Amino acid sequence: DTAVSQTPKYLVTQMGNDKSIKCEQNLGHDTMYWYKQDSKKFLKIMFSYNNKELIINETVPNRFSPKSPDKAHLNLHINSLELGDSAVYFCASSSRGRTSLPNTGELFFGEGSRLTVL
Amino acid sequence: QKEVEQDPGPLSVPEGAIVSLNCTYSNSAFQYFMWYRQYSRKGPELLMYTYSSGNKEDGRFTAQVDKSSKYISLFIRDSQPSDSATYLCAMSARPRRAAGNKLTFGGGTRVLVKP
Repeated sequence: DTAVSQTPKYLVTQMGNDKSIKCEQNLGHDTMYWYKQDSKKFLKIMFSYNNKELIINETVPNRFSPKSPDKAHLNLHINSLELGDSAVYFCASSSRGRTSLPNTGELFFGEGSRLTVL
Repeated sequence: QKEVEQDPGPLSVPEGAIVSLNCTYSNSAFQYFMWYRQYSRKGPELLMYTYSSGNKEDGRFTAQVDKSSKYISLFIRDSQPSDSATYLCAMSARPRRAAGNKLTFGGGTRVLVKP
């Protein structure tokens, strides 16, 4: 009954390859995010979708393309991988609606996808 | 200089001690302050959420915000080995329900509580 699940958990690949990370949440949330955590543990937001609409798009190379087929899924595709893309990528979700909920807006994170580019 | 600064540690304390963590920030627009706990190889989870200046207590955890000094703190009383984790502060200029709300995180402080 995992709330936010990401696959794969570990990914090792060569420079120049294309790879995808998938994320699914079963919390009924309407907003999903991709965060990148570098080796120094800094978490930086990359993208956010609300009801399948892109609402946050930080300064991220065009090689990164998110896709949200529905409210419960947010995938991340990365083209032409570079060494600097090595990091842990976290998916998160939150609910913006139903303000009576005590945890409205709280981010729930997945366990992360550790990407290593060789 | 990063918007949010946090000492990476590690901070090692004996069981039962008080753990004191802090962050400084430069963006005066930040009004919403959070502390997340991250265990090794896991995603962050929200510990405390506070708005503007003041204190907030939840069990063994106390969060303090001093907006005039741009300084926030987290205190953990009666620390336990299970508190060993990385603690990340996070801040936002907008309430968490707002559209396009972006959190700015500190780099985290690694805490080790020794039995």
